Order: sequence, then C-alpha cells, then structure tokens
Amino acid sequence: ETGVTQSPTHLIKTRGQQVTLRCSSQSGHNTVSWYQQALGQGPQFIFQYYREEENGRGNFPPRFSGLQFPNYSSELNVNALELDDSALYLCASSFDGNYGYTFGSGTRLTVV
Amino acid sequence: QQQVKQSPQSLIVQKGGIPIINCAYENTAFDYFPWYQQFPGKGPALLIAIRPDVSEKKEGRFTISFNKSAKQFSLHIMDSQPGDSATYFCAALEYGNKLVFGAGTILRVKS
Repeated sequence: ETGVTQSPTHLIKTRGQQVTLRCSSQSGHNTVSWYQQALGQGPQFIFQYYREEENGRGNFPPRFSGLQFPNYSSELNVNALELDDSALYLCASSFDGNYGYTFGSGTRLTVV
Repeated sequence: QQQVKQSPQSLIVQKGGIPIINCAYENTAFDYFPWYQQFPGKGPALLIAIRPDVSEKKEGRFTISFNKSAKQFSLHIMDSQPGDSATYFCAALEYGNKLVFGAGTILRVKS
C-alpha cells in the first residue's frame, strides 16, 4: 500500500507567478484535500475534491484552484503568487471522505 | 477565528513523564477528533482519534480523554520517550470534509 506522494518537495517562485503542485492519493482513496501550513501554525483547509468535484472550500481566494483526475490524483494551482503564500502545502487523502485522512510530506513553497 | 484552541504552546518533560496536551472547541457540528504528530519536514501523521460518544480511548502509550459537555479533549502520552519529541496537533472534523486544526504543541522529551 503506497502512501500520499507530493511533488515537488521544494519550490521557489517570484511574486506574481503561477504555481502547480501535485499529489498522488494513497491507493484506494478517492477523496483528496489540500491544506496550507504556515510556519509555526496548524494546517488550514483550502478545499476538498471527491470524485473529481469540489466538495467544500475553506477561506481562500479564487486564485487558489484545484483539479482531481480520474485516477484520483490532484493538482493545486495558485495564481498571482503573494509573499504570504509562502508555506508548506499538504495533500491528504481518504476513502469516501471517511475519517482516516492520510497526509503527504508536503511541498515547501517560497515566494520571493 | 480559532475554532480549536490548543495548549500549551510548548512542553518539556523528562523521559518517562506523562505530557498532557489540551484542546477546546465551540462548534457542536464537529463529530471526529483526531490527534496528529508532525516531525520537521514531514506531514502530520494520525496518532489516535475519538468520536464524541466515547469518553476515553487508548492506543498503545497514547490516550485521548474527551469531555463532551465541557467541549474539551486531551492527549496523554504515557512513558514518554525522546523519540516522541515532535509537534502535536489536535483537530476536529467539520461537515465530514474539513479538518480544523489547533495551533500545535511543541513537545520535547529530555533523556
């Protein structure tokens, strides 16, 4: 059984650029959620995808968008990057949105 | 606003001690309360979780105590070891899809 894998592990972008982060769900999981974790804080919910449809969204602006593919992998896209977008971005997967969420190791995004 | 309040921010205990981390919540729609352990450079890993109809749950050295009327829950780590040094997060699941995390507790177990 494979866990949740995220790529890339680290990324440096310039303010105003766009970025795409990728996540492969744990085998058998069809639900994926994305979280933003600023340094020294708890993760904050961005949104969730279930069977390729958005299934809940946190308090993030529309420049944060996502996709889920038929194989249940997912992308997080962030447009018009701001300095405050610098954070660890975490992907978590589960089966049918059930309670056992498994997190990946995250992508560390730095915006300069 | 912070929906799940966690304390303390940091904690130092001697090896073999029993660190206790506390969380409080307001939203009665929360129906699942997990604890996560996070090491530097890693994602959170699920330690143990509880539903609100249970007052206590033990898994190995980890115990959750849950007080539904007070809207509080806590994590106890028995016989703590230096390898338990990590950041611990309580969380609560809202509407079945959104985990709301506390701010985290940095635990250091001294050998």
